[in-house]
Amino acid sequence: SQQGEEDPQALSIQEGENATMNCSYKTSINNLQWYRQNSGRGLVHLILIRSNEREKHSGRLRVTLDTSKKSSSLLITASRAADTASYFCATDAGTGRRALTFGSGTRLQVQP
Amino acid sequence: DTAVSQTPKYLVTQMGNDKSIKCEQNLGHDTMYWYKQDSKKFLKIMFSYNNKELIINETVPNRFSPKSPDKAHLNLHINSLELGDSAVYFCASSQQGGVDIQYFGAGTRLSVL
Repeated sequence: SQQGEEDPQALSIQEGENATMNCSYKTSINNLQWYRQNSGRGLVHLILIRSNEREKHSGRLRVTLDTSKKSSSLLITASRAADTASYFCATDAGTGRRALTFGSGTRLQVQP
Repeated sequence: DTAVSQTPKYLVTQMGNDKSIKCEQNLGHDTMYWYKQDSKKFLKIMFSYNNKELIINETVPNRFSPKSPDKAHLNLHINSLELGDSAVYFCASSQQGGVDIQYFGAGTRLSVL
C-alpha cells in the first residue's frame, strides 16, 4: 500500500460544520504536506508540518502530526461550500526523499 | 500570470499514436515533475528533473520520454499510446528537491481510444 493513505475516502457535511480528514504513513518523514484539488484543477498546497512539530494552524485549517502513530489529521473548521474538493496528504519518505508521495485523497462535499 | 502552465488541457487520441504535453513554469524553480493521476485520483510521480538533469524515473515505460530544454520547461512525449495511458497528467515545480512545496499545473486529461 502507499505512503500517505487518507481516511475517509469521502466525506459529506453541511456548511458550517467541521471536517476532519486523517492520513497515515508507513516510514519516518521529515515533513508532511496537505494539498487541495478542486474538480478539474491541479493541486494547491495548503500547509506543511515538520516532523518536530505537533500542530500547525493556517486560517480555518488545523493540522496535527503524531509521529509515534505515523498519522496526521487535517481539520477544516466552519466549512463552506467552496471547501468542496479532494484533499491529499503527501510525505517526503518515498524515493529516497527526492519526491513527495501522495495518497488517493479524501473527497469532501460541503452542502450549502 | 500562471505559475505552472501545461498544454494542452485535453488530449484525445487513438491507440498507437505519439503525443506530447508541454509544461512551463515562471517561478524560477530548479526542479520540475511529471505526475500521473489515475481514475481513482491516486497521484504517482513519474519523473523529476533538477536544472535539466533527470533525478527520478519511477519505473515508467520507456514509451514515456521527458525532455527538459531548460530549467523552466519540462515536456513529456509519449510513444505508441495505449489504453492504459488514459489519465490526467500533472506537471509541477518546486524551488528545491522533492520535499519542498510543489506548485502544480492544471493538468492534461489524456484519453486514448
